[in-house]
Amino acid sequence: EVVMTQSPATLSVSPGERATLSCRSSQTITKLAWYQHKPGQAPRLLIYGTSTRATGIPARFSGSGSGTEFTLTIGSLQSEDFAVYFCQQYNSWPLTFGGGTKVEIK
Amino acid sequence: EVQLLESGGGLVQPGGSLRLSCVASGFTFSSYAMSWVRQAPGKGMEWVSSINFSGSNTHYADSEKGRFTISRDNSRNTLYLQMNSLGAEDTARYFCTKSTAFSSGWHSDCWGQGTLVTVSS
Repeated sequence: EVVMTQSPATLSVSPGERATLSCRSSQTITKLAWYQHKPGQAPRLLIYGTSTRATGIPARFSGSGSGTEFTLTIGSLQSEDFAVYFCQQYNSWPLTFGGGTKVEIK
Repeated sequence: EVQLLESGGGLVQPGGSLRLSCVASGFTFSSYAMSWVRQAPGKGMEWVSSINFSGSNTHYADSEKGRFTISRDNSRNTLYLQMNSLGAEDTARYFCTKSTAFSSGWHSDCWGQGTLVTVSS
């Protein structure tokens, strides 16, 4: 099983600042997605294939990385971006998720 | 607009059973794989099970094998999860998700809001 580890668990950022979220896999993977989840709402796909933005996702969201180290960058945080972000590998069964990073207002 | 609406959650005693349903709309349900993902209170997401577009191929997390059964009725645009022998560790919000492909094993481009399952005496 590929174990996904996200860091930090909580990230305090001021509106307008850049946020950098990390996701590490226990094995080399090539298929990684990022999701945003707000309380009481359905999670939303942000990035797939490590770096491809999903339909309708603003350009301030970008994904990068390879091998076992991956990053989600939010270029300039807007008020609606404060949420929990989690990564998922779909390289192999079982599909596995990171524990999530909560981005909160500083 | 793509929508997924889960139902069937609730309070169940340890050892009991529940069947979750997910009604899909806004896309050709029969063309896409579907999955169930759960989130226990205060925990991260955990993949539960996936099924391909026709229902002919299924995958399960090890902890659910033999207890849970995923199925679909393409004529009703509905995904199901039959859960048996439930324990406290199954307490979670269960999300229905749509894959981006007809085969399972891909990311999900749409999620429902989830249905809450609580296993307690």
